Amino acid sequence: NAGVTQTPKFQVLKTGQSMTLQCAQDMNHEYMSWYRQDPGMGLRLIHYSVGAGITDQGEVPNGYNVSRSTTEDFPLRLLSAAPSQTSVYFCASSYSSLANEQFFGPGTRLTVL
Amino acid sequence: QKEVEQDPGPLSVPEGAIVSLNCTYSNSAFQYFMWYRQYSRKGPELLMYTYSSGNKEDGRFTAQVDKSSKYISLFIRDSQPSDSATYLCAMSRAGAGNNRKLIWGLGTSLAVNP
Repeated sequence: NAGVTQTPKFQVLKTGQSMTLQCAQDMNHEYMSWYRQDPGMGLRLIHYSVGAGITDQGEVPNGYNVSRSTTEDFPLRLLSAAPSQTSVYFCASSYSSLANEQFFGPGTRLTVL
Repeated sequence: QKEVEQDPGPLSVPEGAIVSLNCTYSNSAFQYFMWYRQYSRKGPELLMYTYSSGNKEDGRFTAQVDKSSKYISLFIRDSQPSDSATYLCAMSRAGAGNNRKLIWGLGTSLAVNP
């Protein structure tokens, strides 16, 4: 199993550009989530999904969209990038509805100029 | 006040030392307590998972939960340079809905020196 994969590993955007961060898992996990990690702020939940077709907002959803058309994929879209979205983004999945044991991807380092 | 407080460190210890990492929390509804380890430029990985109060041991690692004091600890015995990482505590409530959101500490950076 590849586990949780994320692409790209690094990305530089200009303010106002849009892009999609890809996330896929091959463990047949129902629960998937997106976090951002910033120094001094820790991990913050952006959006999460408890199954295909079901998504919900986390702690910091503004400026981001998600969709879940399949169990495997959970892309994160930045609509109009801002410097405040410079961060490391992690995708995670869990086999349990409790979502306490989460398997994380390797992360995407995003810089918005 | 943050729901979960964790001293960011950094903590530097010699190889072989016993390490104690701690988190305090304010919400008595938390029932599940986790410790994740994050190596530099990697995603977090689950290290220990406990439910309610008590101790759990796994090799050199022991997790303790004291719900009366709202305090959790992770002990590392015979620490190794490979234990150098950031350790994140996380916790969640029981019941439907809110279970899907973990509340995270900021993480403690640990360096184990050979």
